[in-house]
Amino acid sequence: ILNVEQSPQSLHVQEGDSTNFTCSFPSSNFYALHWYRWETAKSPEALFVMTLNGDEKKKGRISATLNTKEGYSYLYIKGSQPEDSATYLCAFIIASGNQFYFGTGTSLTVIP
Amino acid sequence: DSGVTQTPKHLITATGQRVTLRCSPRSGDLSVYWYQQSLDQGLQFLIQYYNGEERAKGNILERFSAQQFPDLHSELNLSSLELGDSALYFCASNGGSTDTQYFGPGTRLTVL
Repeated sequence: ILNVEQSPQSLHVQEGDSTNFTCSFPSSNFYALHWYRWETAKSPEALFVMTLNGDEKKKGRISATLNTKEGYSYLYIKGSQPEDSATYLCAFIIASGNQFYFGTGTSLTVIP
Repeated sequence: DSGVTQTPKHLITATGQRVTLRCSPRSGDLSVYWYQQSLDQGLQFLIQYYNGEERAKGNILERFSAQQFPDLHSELNLSSLELGDSALYFCASNGGSTDTQYFGPGTRLTVL
């Protein structure tokens, strides 16, 4: 069984605060890591695809970094807004490229 | 709108019955993935098809089966249903193994 862990499980922050959370995955057989944003009553929506050690991706106020040697990725949200409230999922893709292993997600609530 | 469609949106059935969930991928996408999300659990990968052929298998029960047709739509068949099969079933598609996955709206299955 391949473990992809996300921490913390849930997070409450005030509007305007910056926050970050972690996705940990096996450091061997790495192929790619995806981040998704999943709002309640909707389907997961892709944020980033990361493939190279040291990758940094940015989309507006959200950015992500990748360390494949130590097996972790960070997602950062700068100046959180209530509309950022969602569950953030990471998915580890193993070297064969055929299976996505999702973490259980970090649930973010931004309090106005 | 991700371009991935799933029908039906909701399904209520009884234990022991069989149901079929349908997914149409985004135009041009050859890969279809099926996931199960049970209460308080993350996304569990069930199975992947690529251009009509099974490519990867996850935690799919023997009572469940899937196929992808020549027009690339896919069906997930769930038989001898149990109460524990009640869940949200998502289909996702992409063009290749490491590409971003685009998720459909899901089918909520309730087994009574």
